[in-house]
Amino acid sequence: GNSVTQMEGPVTLSEEAFLTINCTYTATGYPSLFWYVQYPGEGLQLLLKATKADDKGSNKGFEATYRKETTSFHLEKGSVQVSDSAVYFCALYSGGSNYKLTFGKGTLLTVNP
Amino acid sequence: NAGVTQTPKFRILKIGQSMTLQCAQDMNHNYMYWYRQDPGMGLKLIYYSVGAGITDKGEVPNGYNVSRSTTEDFPLRLELAAPSQTSVYFCASSYKTGGTSMETQYFGPGTRLLVL
Repeated sequence: GNSVTQMEGPVTLSEEAFLTINCTYTATGYPSLFWYVQYPGEGLQLLLKATKADDKGSNKGFEATYRKETTSFHLEKGSVQVSDSAVYFCALYSGGSNYKLTFGKGTLLTVNP
Repeated sequence: NAGVTQTPKFRILKIGQSMTLQCAQDMNHNYMYWYRQDPGMGLKLIYYSVGAGITDKGEVPNGYNVSRSTTEDFPLRLELAAPSQTSVYFCASSYKTGGTSMETQYFGPGTRLLVL
């Protein structure tokens, strides 16, 4: 079956540091890949997505590239801010009528000033 | 637009009690979903609906029931609460017109449920 493996957290960085959160997946076919972010006390929000190999999703300074050869979709940001502190979820959708997303366990990021 | 709203925000139940978690969306989305999020885990799909009057099971439906009488509302019912149902519950919605692509799912703020 489908699965998503994320880098274990928590991750603690200082403001303006470089961020990488690793995500690898197992899926049949050609899944779509997503990063969702959950700020404290809120629901999940879509951060970025990529629907085919070599696509790069980007939003709010975050980027992730769909790498089919390594089955990865790592999240990066060049300079994090305190406001980026949140839980980040990698997810995939591999087709089917229920539009079910398969989520990773989430990575808690804390950015200190 | 309020987006996806959920009530209550937090609830404590005793074993064997029943309750309904409410979910509503005002975006005219046809697809709606219920997920649960256990500590340190990703979200798991409980039930979903592709339109009013149509519901189907997800990965972990046991112990839950849903109904979808209107486009806007998608309540989740727990009939006999058990400690294993202690979790955070998220409702989500999306708009799907056709094809096979996944549209963005919009999530509510969640309901935290504790069963003692």
